[in-house]
Amino acid sequence: ETVLTQSPATLSLSPGERATLSCRASQSVRSFLAWYQQRPGQAPRLLIYDASNRATGIPARFSGSGFGTDFTLTISSLEPEDFAVYYCHQRHIWPRSFGPGTKLEIK
Amino acid sequence: QVQLQESGPGLVKPSQTLSLTCTVSGGSISSDNHYWAWIRQPAGKGLEWIGRIHVSGSTDYNVANAALQSRVTIWMDTSMSQFYLRLTSVTAADTAVYYCARDLGSGGPEDSWGQGALVTVSS
Repeated sequence: ETVLTQSPATLSLSPGERATLSCRASQSVRSFLAWYQQRPGQAPRLLIYDASNRATGIPARFSGSGFGTDFTLTISSLEPEDFAVYYCHQRHIWPRSFGPGTKLEIK
Repeated sequence: QVQLQESGPGLVKPSQTLSLTCTVSGGSISSDNHYWAWIRQPAGKGLEWIGRIHVSGSTDYNVANAALQSRVTIWMDTSMSQFYLRLTSVTAADTAVYYCARDLGSGGPEDSWGQGALVTVSS
């Protein structure tokens, strides 16, 4: 199983600030890494797929980068609705797996 | 735009069988490009991928969780545009929100999700 580790566990920032979230894989997942946003009481929403591609309808302030084992999700300028939990997810190594999540909270 | 909706009992007794249905609308469940997946999330915890099915009947299960894999069955009924999850011999550890999702297979990850169904295992 490919273990995904996310850091930090909690990130406290203010609206307008830049957020940088990390995901590290226990083995290479090439570029097959996605990011999801989950707000309380809602299903996860796909933000980024294949490391750097924004999903349909996702604002340009969300961007992803990385390859192999180290990946980053960047939110350039936080909006109030961005405070949520973010999960990374790999689909390269069977079985698919998710990271434990990073909670982005308002400072 | 494809939509998915989970349905099924919200309460299951220990040792019994959990059964959920996912109804797909706004898109074809018979698309050769897609798989249909189940994922669960215990309260306050992260996401666990359970398994998926393709219209060909091919299934994949989470082999990293042997205790889960041995109890799970996923199948589909294209005429009803539905796919199903069965989990036998449930315990309190199976209490979770269960999501169904469209899996893009080689084309990408799970991109459309249902709203989730809370299933509680309790006597």
